[in-house]
Amino acid sequence: QVQLVQSGAEVKKPGASVKISCKASGYTFNDYFFHWVRQAPGQGLEWMGWFNPKRGSTNYAQKFQGRVTMTRDTSITTAYMELNRLTSDDTAVYYCARDRGDAVVGWHFDFWGQGTLVTVSS
Amino acid sequence: DIQMTQSPSSLSASVGDRVTITCQASQDINNYLNWYQQNPGKAPKLLISDASNVETGVPSRFSGSGSGTYFTFTISSLQPEDIATYYCQQYDNLPITFGQGTRLEIK
Repeated sequence: QVQLVQSGAEVKKPGASVKISCKASGYTFNDYFFHWVRQAPGQGLEWMGWFNPKRGSTNYAQKFQGRVTMTRDTSITTAYMELNRLTSDDTAVYYCARDRGDAVVGWHFDFWGQGTLVTVSS
Repeated sequence: DIQMTQSPSSLSASVGDRVTITCQASQDINNYLNWYQQNPGKAPKLLISDASNVETGVPSRFSGSGSGTYFTFTISSLQPEDIATYYCQQYDNLPITFGQGTRLEIK
């Protein structure tokens, strides 16, 4: 069965960076795009970008360009999202999600990680 | 960015009630709209894709309709396990954007 398992909660100081992992299993890792979505406490969902694990290509939301990097390690079927220059506004639960599209971006997020809480506080 | 406006923001209904949530886009998004259900402390779950396609395994009481700028999400007979927050999501234009959510409670 498809599973996405994310790394644990993080506490960071303003200005620091955070790197979250998303371990995929139960399907062919390279065949499906990843998306990263975040949710601030008590707030709605915010899309950050997509990542193609086969090619390593990315498409970041403009809001995060210059501050976010999405990568992967295919040997361990794990995707990563790193966010730099953190501020308190980045306090949120970060989710990885698989795109259902077969080798394309279909924009249907059919499997999600459990979420990783990142708290930014001095 | 395309703004997605859901209504109402919260809703209280009784078991067995028919419940409808609306989602209005700030511009035409064709039928490029999904609906997700999010239980507290959990990740969202895809319920409906392309405005009206119910995902495999999703109970038939859930349905969606609409195109262009106006969309509806309906639960034909509310069940206790449907208590959650529901989000619409457009994917016509980047960035992908979500509605602010509709919190559904049992009366």
